[in-house]
Amino acid sequence: EDQVTQSPEALRLQEGESSSLNCSYTVSGLRGLFWYRQDPGKGPEFLFTLYSAGEEKEKERLKATLTKKESFLHITAPKPEDSATYLCAVHPSGGYQKVTFGTGTKLQVIP
Amino acid sequence: ETGVTQTPRHLVMGMTNKKSLKCEQHLGHNAMYWYKQSAKKPLELMFVYNFKEQTENNSVPSRFSPECPNSSHLFLHLHTLQPEDSALYLCASSSKGSDASPLHFGNGTRLTVT
Repeated sequence: EDQVTQSPEALRLQEGESSSLNCSYTVSGLRGLFWYRQDPGKGPEFLFTLYSAGEEKEKERLKATLTKKESFLHITAPKPEDSATYLCAVHPSGGYQKVTFGTGTKLQVIP
Repeated sequence: ETGVTQTPRHLVMGMTNKKSLKCEQHLGHNAMYWYKQSAKKPLELMFVYNFKEQTENNSVPSRFSPECPNSSHLFLHLHTLQPEDSALYLCASSSKGSDASPLHFGNGTRLTVT
C-alpha cells in the first residue's frame, strides 16, 4: 500500500528563517510527486510536480527536491504570506489516478 | 469564471435531509474527482470520473451518490448522512494522460451534519 509521511506536523519560523519540510514516501513505482499549498478555508493549490530522483523545481522562495525515498520543500527567507499547510502527494505508476496524500505540514511564519 | 468552482461553500444538514453538492470546472479537463478532507487525516479519494464514466468508487457508503452529466460538471448527492460525515468535501479535475497530471481543486464545501 502506498504511504506518504510528512514531517514536522507543524513548524513555526521567524520571518527570514529558512527551513525544510520533509515528505517520505513508499510507493511501488512513482509516476510523479506533487506539492500543494492549502490556505485556511480553501482547496489545495498546486505548486510542483517532480518526476524522478535528482529533479529540482523552484518557485519564488520555494524549492522542491526529490530522492528515491523522500522529497524536501525548502523555504528560503520565508515571509508571513508563506504561512499555510503544505501537502505532499504521490501518483503511483501502477495505480491509475489513485493519488495518495500526506497529512501536511502547517507552517506559520511570524513577522 | 476560471478554475474549479464548488457550491455551496457551507452546508448544515440534519441526518434525514437530502442535499447536493455541485462542482464545475472551466479548465477543459476530462477527469473529475470527489475528495473528503477531515482534520488530522490525509485527503481521502471518494470517486473518480473519466469522460463522464465512473472509474473509481473507493468503498464509499451508498448515502453518497455521485453524478457526472458531462465532463465539466460533477455532483455529490447526500442523503441520511451521519455526524461523522462532517468534513470538507473537495472537487478536483485533471487531464487524463500518461504523465502524472496534477489535480486542480475547488475551495470545497464545508459540510456539518447535525
